[in-house]
Amino acid sequence: EAQVTQNPRYLITVTGKKLTVTCSQNMNHEYMSWYRQDPGLGLRQIYYSMNVEVTDKGDVPEGYKVSRKEKRNFPLILESPSPNQTSLYFCASSFSGTLNQPQHFGDGTRLSIL
Amino acid sequence: AQKITQTQPGMFVQEKEAVTLDCTYDTSDQSYGLFWYKQPSSGEMIFLIYQGSYDEQNATEGRYSLNFQKARKSANLVISASQLGDSAMYFCAMREPYGGATNKLIFGTGTLLAVQP
Repeated sequence: EAQVTQNPRYLITVTGKKLTVTCSQNMNHEYMSWYRQDPGLGLRQIYYSMNVEVTDKGDVPEGYKVSRKEKRNFPLILESPSPNQTSLYFCASSFSGTLNQPQHFGDGTRLSIL
Repeated sequence: AQKITQTQPGMFVQEKEAVTLDCTYDTSDQSYGLFWYKQPSSGEMIFLIYQGSYDEQNATEGRYSLNFQKARKSANLVISASQLGDSAMYFCAMREPYGGATNKLIFGTGTLLAVQP
């Protein structure tokens, strides 16, 4: 089954404790992105990647890191999480960057930083 | 700057009736893509329908159709014959042109639809 898989689905942790949210897609997609969803703000792009070893900042990159060492994986790293990073996070992928390609989303990761 | 506006925070509809969810967008680009996603209470984002700025016909996918009015910069989602399972948050989104290469979707703030039996 074609899918984007995120782990964990839920995580409660404390300020300053490094964490990684994994994302893997099995569709051989080139493009991958991370978004965060906050009430009243919709979804905002954190980072994106056009291919292996090619990543760049989205609209809200502060406090996050990413890497793309393999085509299928695009982990999101919070080196020193803070309470304002409490949010619902989505990984998304698409086959290419053309306009008509829908992005396929993972099921989301709900992070709570205490 | 590109922007998506969804002015209906919440809506009710009776089962089996049709409902229209509003979406207006702002862009100076001639080439763009518009998407609608559904987010049930379980949280996942489900792609529903796509409309390209150069598409001459309104997009349709089963019970979903998109009322695209380019001059008014609106892309309203129409759900026909509403079902209880349609109760969810609905997001309108716009894709930046390919030249931007960010693969970014710009989202509205969403409309929460409740289907009543």
